[in-house]
Amino acid sequence: GAVVSQHPSWVICKSGTSVKIECRSLDFQATTMFWYRQFPKQSLMLMATSNEGSKATYEQGVEKDKFLINHASLTLSTLTVTSAHPEDSSFYICSARGTPGTGINIQYFGAGTRLSVL
Amino acid sequence: QKEVEQDPGPLSVPEGAIVSLNCTYSNSAFQYFMWYRQYSRKGPELLMYTYSSGNKEDGRFTAQVDKSSKYISLFIRDSQPSDSATYLCAMSGTGNQFYFGTGTSLTVIP
Repeated sequence: GAVVSQHPSWVICKSGTSVKIECRSLDFQATTMFWYRQFPKQSLMLMATSNEGSKATYEQGVEKDKFLINHASLTLSTLTVTSAHPEDSSFYICSARGTPGTGINIQYFGAGTRLSVL
Repeated sequence: QKEVEQDPGPLSVPEGAIVSLNCTYSNSAFQYFMWYRQYSRKGPELLMYTYSSGNKEDGRFTAQVDKSSKYISLFIRDSQPSDSATYLCAMSGTGNQFYFGTGTSLTVIP
């Protein structure tokens, strides 16, 4: 099946610093990628949808200046948490839409990134 | 009314039991129906997907879609402790809109 690689898996940073998370589709081209946030024992919360070559579409309540998304190629999207604060500590998960060579409309997820802001 | 409803559980079964997980939905335009398994602090892993109605089997897992009732199910036969996880259903049409259930927490007791 299709593979989505997310890096890093865990990052600890100091308050006020910025953190970049990468999401790569390894064996297919993903015109659309999604970024989710998940708190412990809660369901996925969609943060934004990014289409290759265009600006991301953010969900209501998500600060676009805080969570910068770049989808510069068909296989790579990045999420940068700018000036991170302890309340940004969470589990961030990316996904890519599609299946290689078909029009099947499903999502494949990365393994997630645990962000801890001290 | 939510687009997708899923009983959050928790569900606890003995090893070897048959597990039935279910979701209902309201949008008749949904065409793709997905089941994901998520272990703690991991991303969701695609288990199976079905296009339109019908059944699909993969090893111990069977996915069923009943579009007339707007009801989907995932059956796990001969459940194992390693099946203990949260199971998410998800649905989509042809665009970028995906709708997820809230997940059902499953524990298989040895």
